[in-house]
Amino acid sequence: EAGVTQFPSHSVIEKGQTVTLRCDPISGHDNLYWYRRVMGKEIKFLLHFVKESKQDESGMPNNRFLAERTGGTYSTLKVQPAELEDSGVYFCASSPQRSTGELFFGEGSRLTVL
Amino acid sequence: QKEVEQDPGPLSVPEGAIVSLNCTYSNSAFQYFMWYRQYSRKGPELLMYTYSSGNKEDGRFTAQVDKSSKYISLFIRDSQPSDSATYLCAMTPRNRDDKIIFGKGTRLHILP
Repeated sequence: EAGVTQFPSHSVIEKGQTVTLRCDPISGHDNLYWYRRVMGKEIKFLLHFVKESKQDESGMPNNRFLAERTGGTYSTLKVQPAELEDSGVYFCASSPQRSTGELFFGEGSRLTVL
Repeated sequence: QKEVEQDPGPLSVPEGAIVSLNCTYSNSAFQYFMWYRQYSRKGPELLMYTYSSGNKEDGRFTAQVDKSSKYISLFIRDSQPSDSATYLCAMTPRNRDDKIIFGKGTRLHILP
């Protein structure tokens, strides 16, 4: 069974540009989460989808971040325009509807904003 | 005050030693306590979880929660070089798949 896959693994962009990160959860997992780790800080929650609906987006830093989950399958996280402080590793995780409590994380997408 | 405090290390111990990793927290509403392990350039993977206070053992790993002191621990017995990783404590108030609050993680090196 394929795990959570994220693309790209690393993206380097200039301040003001746009970047879109993609996450493919484990097939059949209704819950999809985005987390972010800024260098030197903790991994922090961004938002939670249940199928295609946003269950909790309280961790989204500002309106430059837009997350979507088309048809309840894969998800994208767009940062527009990117700022220096957006640099970090963005993790996606998924879990089944009737969760045992375990989140399955992807390897992360590293974003560097210059 | 941060919700979860964890010493980032690094912590280096010889192979075979007992490792003790710890976190403190401030939010008394936390009910589920987890330890994730993260290898370099990989995503975190769940190692153990406990609900409320108490101990839980799984092979060489033991997780302890003391809610009265707001203190959680992970013990690794007979540590192996393959245990070298970053260990993140994590907790959540309601459901184990609710918004998780992570510690910074402790980098652990097991020296062969």
